[in-house]
Amino acid sequence: AQSVSQHNHHVILSEAASLELGCNYSYGGTVNLFWYVQYPGQHLQLLLKYFSGDPLVKGIKGFEAEFIKSKFSFNLRKPSVQWSDTAEYFCAGNTGFQKLVFGTGTRLLVSP
Amino acid sequence: EPEVTQTPSHQVTQMGQEVILRCVPISNHLYFYWYRQILGQKVEFLVSFYNNEISEKSEIFDDQFSVERPDGSNFTLKIRSTKLEDSAMYFCASSEIQLTDTQYFGPGTRLTVL
Repeated sequence: AQSVSQHNHHVILSEAASLELGCNYSYGGTVNLFWYVQYPGQHLQLLLKYFSGDPLVKGIKGFEAEFIKSKFSFNLRKPSVQWSDTAEYFCAGNTGFQKLVFGTGTRLLVSP
Repeated sequence: EPEVTQTPSHQVTQMGQEVILRCVPISNHLYFYWYRQILGQKVEFLVSFYNNEISEKSEIFDDQFSVERPDGSNFTLKIRSTKLEDSAMYFCASSEIQLTDTQYFGPGTRLTVL
């Protein structure tokens, strides 16, 4: 069955620390992968997406993710986090059907 | 930037009552979706809608649920007889084309069933 898993449920970092949030997927065939962010009190917003091509994807606000097919992973990274990055981060995927399958989410708290 | 909007932001209802959650997708989008997130759990797909009919639905989307696009702008989710376990945040989303396009999410409606 299609699934997306996120290993870290809660992450606490200090400002300027580097961030890496794990995401693994279980899909057969071609997969499309997404990272969404939900800031406190706001709706889900797309950070970045991967469909094909360069496995290193750059998104908004300095975030990037790398699609590693051999590891079934799509980890989210940012070299230096800011307090404003405090949010919940969701990895999601689909295979060409419309529905998105979400991971459980990772709550990131960045302390100033 | 165009946004998906949802109303109400919070709905409280008694068990057994009908509720209608409303969404206004982005105007040139053709695909519409409902997802829900029970507190502490994953965001789960409910249903997708295209060309005035359901294109896919999950096991959650049983006979108690229905969707409708009553006019050119609104997209509604109706729960006929709410249960306690329907309490969740319900998100509407829309996308322009199939597969490769981004799904844009609304702010959600928090449904509380008492």
